Amino acid sequence: DAGVIQSPRHEVTEMGQEVTLRCKPISGHNSLFWYRQTMMRGLELLIYFNNNVPIDDSGMPEDRFSAKMPNASFSTLKIQPSEPRDSAVYFCASINSTRWVDTQYFGPGTRLTVL
Amino acid sequence: QKEVEQNSGPLSVPEGAIASLNCTYSDRGSQSFFWYRQYSGKSPELIMFIYSNGDKEDGRFTAQLNKASQYVSLLIRDSQPSDSATYLCAVNRAGSSGSARQLTFGSGTQLTVLP
Repeated sequence: DAGVIQSPRHEVTEMGQEVTLRCKPISGHNSLFWYRQTMMRGLELLIYFNNNVPIDDSGMPEDRFSAKMPNASFSTLKIQPSEPRDSAVYFCASINSTRWVDTQYFGPGTRLTVL
Repeated sequence: QKEVEQNSGPLSVPEGAIASLNCTYSDRGSQSFFWYRQYSGKSPELIMFIYSNGDKEDGRFTAQLNKASQYVSLLIRDSQPSDSATYLCAVNRAGSSGSARQLTFGSGTQLTVLP
């Protein structure tokens, strides 16, 4: 299995531009998470999907952020317009569920720099 | 009080020693506990999880859980320079709802194993 796939791996953009980050979860995993990681704030949960439905988006910082999961194998996180304070590494993770525990597996991340 | 607390370190141990990483959590109903390793510039990688009181061993790694004290630890025996990384403790919220799959992460402990 290829694991969780994210693209692009690096993104440099200018303030005000739209940014779209993409994620392909591990096949068979039915839950997907978007996280943001910065030195100051650590790893923060942005939004969580279960069976393609958003369950909790309370971590989305503001209306400039939106996320979709049109099918079980694809999700996007969009920032419009982007701001320098959005610079961070954005991770996608999917869950392997067993009877006893749900384990999250992370993608390689997208390093976003907003100038 | 943070929901999941870790000593940020840095923690330095000599090669071959035992490294002890600690984590406390505030939600007494938490059910599952995870340790992730994150190398600089990489994504978090699941090392192991534990959900029953006591010890769980996997190779050089031992996770210890004490729910009464709300304390979970990770021991790394025979530490190697390749173990140098940030170790993240994560806690699964209690409950049967979809949100129970969310993880709350600590800020991480930076470990350096000196050759």
